[in-house]
Amino acid sequence: QKEVEQNSGPLSVPEGAIASLNCTYSDRGSQSFFWYRQYSGKSPELIMFIYSNGDKEDGRFTAQLNKASQYVSLLIRDSQPSDSATYLCAVRYDYKLSFGAGTTVTVRA
Amino acid sequence: KAGVTQTPRYLIKTRGQQVTLSCSPISGHRSVSWYQQTPGQGLQFLFEYFSETQRNKGNFPGRFSGRQFSNSRSEMNVSTLELGDSALYLCASSLPDRRRNTIYFGEGSWLTVV
Repeated sequence: QKEVEQNSGPLSVPEGAIASLNCTYSDRGSQSFFWYRQYSGKSPELIMFIYSNGDKEDGRFTAQLNKASQYVSLLIRDSQPSDSATYLCAVRYDYKLSFGAGTTVTVRA
Repeated sequence: KAGVTQTPRYLIKTRGQQVTLSCSPISGHRSVSWYQQTPGQGLQFLFEYFSETQRNKGNFPGRFSGRQFSNSRSEMNVSTLELGDSALYLCASSLPDRRRNTIYFGEGSWLTVV
């Protein structure tokens, strides 16, 4: 079983819609959770960081964490073409990040 | 505030050679970690340093090594390069609190082994 699993893509959403990304992790001792956005040929860019159960909102992005279910999600509201990218879920345990394979999102105009 | 700076950005090496990559963390960040990204394996953890000490190491062969200097700058070295070492090498920095601090990546060093 992989440490971090993301819903398989690609995910195609119309402009203005909500994109929903999911991630599950296997290590219950995981301490914090990250969502990164990566454009082709670029390095990962931090979007959201969460470490407590519940929701965390930042602009059009909302991260949700449920430690009991070992589940973290990312909602992108009012999706824009510039949101088209690969989204990486990462889970931190000790001094190491474990990454999911990523979900490619395409926002169609 | 300057971000994580990695040099060189692009390099081409021949099999059997060695390579050294450099990373300067965000000012004030003392934890530096390295990751390898390939199309087949995704993003994988190499190692992490804090106060010049390696605290954690991923599942990579001994050809991959690193170090951190007293000013928190870090280098990683890959010896006896193989074709499979072609990848994007990413450096990340953070404050030392494992739970509450975010982790930022540099732009990466693109290594091609021919």
